[in-house]
Amino acid sequence: DVKVTQSSRYLVKRTGEKVFLECVQDMDHENMFWYRQDPGLGLRLIYFSYDVKMKEKGDIPEGYSVSREKKERFSLILESASTNQTSMYLCASTQGDNYGYTFGSGTRLTVV
Amino acid sequence: RKEVEQDPGPFNVPEGATVAFNCTYSNSASQSFFWYRQDCRKEPKLLMSVYSSGNEDGRFTAQLNRASQYISLLIRDSKLSDSATYLCVVNPLGGFQKLVFGTGTRLLVSP
Repeated sequence: DVKVTQSSRYLVKRTGEKVFLECVQDMDHENMFWYRQDPGLGLRLIYFSYDVKMKEKGDIPEGYSVSREKKERFSLILESASTNQTSMYLCASTQGDNYGYTFGSGTRLTVV
Repeated sequence: RKEVEQDPGPFNVPEGATVAFNCTYSNSASQSFFWYRQDCRKEPKLLMSVYSSGNEDGRFTAQLNRASQYISLLIRDSKLSDSATYLCVVNPLGGFQKLVFGTGTRLLVSP
């Protein structure tokens, strides 16, 4: 089975801190995604990547950046954390068309 | 109009009941469709893909109606363990797999 691993299950950070969320997949998938999930809003796409060093903005990229230096690793960076970035962050990968995503177990980030 | 719309529920059903959820999508060119299941405070997990001819996996049946732009999920003989949120998911563009998720329908199965 594809495994998508997110480095932290729970994180608490202070406003203004730079935050790194790491995601690693073990199935050589080219496509990787970062979502956040909030009650009533569902999953919203922050950034995605279809190849090493390639990245594309999703629907809500403001306040975030990403890095994909290796195929298996896709990092989400909060440049200066704010309280409105308190959320569940989900990483996913897929092998391509007509295949669903496999998600990591999520990182619940609280910014205080 | 949202790209994918679902009734948030909750749907409260007794064990053994049959329950159905619908989901509508706005882009008629959408290519692929899925149902995901999400348990409380867990990640979404793929339940099943939805094919044009309809498909079944045990107690679960998925249907696609392109003319009316909706997909459905039917659960027969509901189990307590079916209690979860069911997410309707659509790839509106085809080609590159960038999925759009509905906000989910909550199902509660009671003894």
